[in-house]
Amino acid sequence: NAGVTQTPKFQVLKTGQSMTLQCAQDMNHNSMYWYRQDPGMGLRLIYYSASEGTTDKGEVPNGYNVSRLNKREFSLRLESAAPSQTSVYFCASSLGLAADTQYFGPGTRLTVL
Amino acid sequence: GDSVTQMEGPVTLSEEAFLTINCTYTATGYPSLFWYVQYPGEGLQLLLKATKADDKGSNKGFEATYRKETTSFHLEKGSVQVSDSAVYFCALSVRGNNRLAFGKGNQVVVIP
Repeated sequence: NAGVTQTPKFQVLKTGQSMTLQCAQDMNHNSMYWYRQDPGMGLRLIYYSASEGTTDKGEVPNGYNVSRLNKREFSLRLESAAPSQTSVYFCASSLGLAADTQYFGPGTRLTVL
Repeated sequence: GDSVTQMEGPVTLSEEAFLTINCTYTATGYPSLFWYVQYPGEGLQLLLKATKADDKGSNKGFEATYRKETTSFHLEKGSVQVSDSAVYFCALSVRGNNRLAFGKGNQVVVIP
């Protein structure tokens, strides 16, 4: 039981490049989330998916898109990366919505030059 | 909006000392409250939670009591170990709200 997995672990992009962060969970959870973590800012929600086929914006959605590919997978796409998107990105999942325990992946450290 | 406030600054203390990390919240409705811990190089993991007023969450020697009258959920541990060195996040969710609101986190460093 791997829990929540994320790829890649590290990535360096140049301004304007695009990339997709992948996330998968094997716990049969309904809800999945993407957060970013910045020093002194805590975690901020980018997008979430309450169930397969639905996605909603969080606190900081600008510059990102998401796809809930199936119940297991939830990807985050940066279409045109900017230095302000340098951050550590965490995917999480929960059985139901936010009141349930969320399980986090190990994170992706992204640097945009 | 719903928010969580944690005490400012890192916490440095000696092994076997008493640890307290303050957390206060602002919320409409009746939130569930959480403490998450992040060990170096890892994602967050749930440490403990409480879902209603006066509930006490506990795990690994840590405790926190949901105090509605003071809107607080302070984390305590009686005798810390070096292995407790981590970042601790307080968070809340409100039933019907689709997200967790996290505090900024506190870095805890335990010195042998």
